[in-house]
Amino acid sequence: GQNIDQPTEMTATEGAIVQINCTYQTSGFNGLFWYQQHAGEAPTFLSYNVLDGLEEKGRFSSFLSRSKGYSYLLLKELQMKDSASYLCAVKIGANNLFFGTGTRLTVIP
Amino acid sequence: DAGITQSPRHKVTETGTPVTLRCHQTENHRYMYWYRQDPGHGLRLIHYSYGVKDTDKGEVSDGYSVSRSKTEDFLLTLESATSSQTSVYFCAISESSGQLDTQYFGPGTRLTVL
Repeated sequence: GQNIDQPTEMTATEGAIVQINCTYQTSGFNGLFWYQQHAGEAPTFLSYNVLDGLEEKGRFSSFLSRSKGYSYLLLKELQMKDSASYLCAVKIGANNLFFGTGTRLTVIP
Repeated sequence: DAGITQSPRHKVTETGTPVTLRCHQTENHRYMYWYRQDPGHGLRLIHYSYGVKDTDKGEVSDGYSVSRSKTEDFLLTLESATSSQTSVYFCAISESSGQLDTQYFGPGTRLTVL
């Protein structure tokens, strides 16, 4: 079977840095995706890792360790608009994604 | 914006009635997907399509059928809706850029089965 674990909720302060962890045990691995989802809206693509290491995209970075089945999303200089759910998803096979249940991040002033 | 629309955006129906949700895309993407999203479960794949008339089951396909008679439209049908199918339904397409295939989501349909 497939399993992805993420913390259910996190709270962080505006301007700070937060790290959202994701661990996975899946049959097959062709990459790991992070999506952002604001309440009542569709998920939007943030980042993708297929090789070990860190991928940086502005204020957001994502890290992958395939040997440990582990990824994290790092958000720097937090803004109030970053309050959202962050979804970790593993690509299995050619095109299918298996999603975790998501981490709800609340940014406080 | 990957040019995906879903209709209807909201629907309330009664148990036992048939329901069809439509996903429409304007950019000729080959792969299309239907997911449902429920609290505590995240996004779960219902069915997907890899071309006209080519579809396959996902993780939670029981009680759902799909059809794709044109590249741009992917229909999800609940033959006889049940309260357990109350959910938010998202359609997605897969867009390729080099080695990367990324899924982009439509705005969602909130379905309530009474």
